[in-house]
Amino acid sequence: EIVLTQSPGTLSLSPGERATLSCWASQTISNNYLAWYQQKPGQAPRLLIHGASSRATGIPDRFSGSGSGTDFTLTITRLEPEDFAVYYCLQYERSPRTFGQGTKVEIK
Amino acid sequence: EVQLVESGGGLVQPGRSLRLSCAASGFTFDDYAMHWVRQAPGKGLEWVSGISRSSSAIAYADFVKGRFTISRDYTKNSLYLQMNSLRIEDTALYYCARDYFPSGPYYYIPDKWGQGTLVVVSS
Repeated sequence: EIVLTQSPGTLSLSPGERATLSCWASQTISNNYLAWYQQKPGQAPRLLIHGASSRATGIPDRFSGSGSGTDFTLTITRLEPEDFAVYYCLQYERSPRTFGQGTKVEIK
Repeated sequence: EVQLVESGGGLVQPGRSLRLSCAASGFTFDDYAMHWVRQAPGKGLEWVSGISRSSSAIAYADFVKGRFTISRDYTKNSLYLQMNSLRIEDTALYYCARDYFPSGPYYYIPDKWGQGTLVVVSS
């Protein structure tokens, strides 16, 4: 199975700052079948990005995804108060689907 | 509005079985693949299983393969997860989720999620 490793584990930033989250895959994801999710405490996850760089329906444009192969990035250009949450990457290149362990974006 | 309502969770002893259900509404159930994803208390997300629109494509995470079975009932607009030989490490909140892409032949990525049903495996 494809193992996804996210870094950093925790990112401490202030509102208005830029957040850069990384996701590395143990094998090449050749079709860019990589998605990003946001999860807030007590809530179900929300899909942000699919296909490595396509925003899901209704997702604000401050969220962007990039990368290819084994290295992928989620960027939040200007953090809003509601963006402080845990973020997960998910690969759908192969079965079984696998998630990264998550990156927590916390208020500094 | 898409609604996914899970049920069937509870406290169960190791080695026993449990069947989770997910009632879907607000969309054409036949048009979407479905998934089960779980989250242990305080831990990250784990993809458990996926099933295509036609049920022809099914997959499981290695940690449940041979113990869990996913299925769907088109007449009841429902998704199921039969869980056998439960282990303590299966304790988690189990989410039912609809796929993002309609009409595809496979299962892809979870999009719309229910609120989950809690399974606790303990003696």
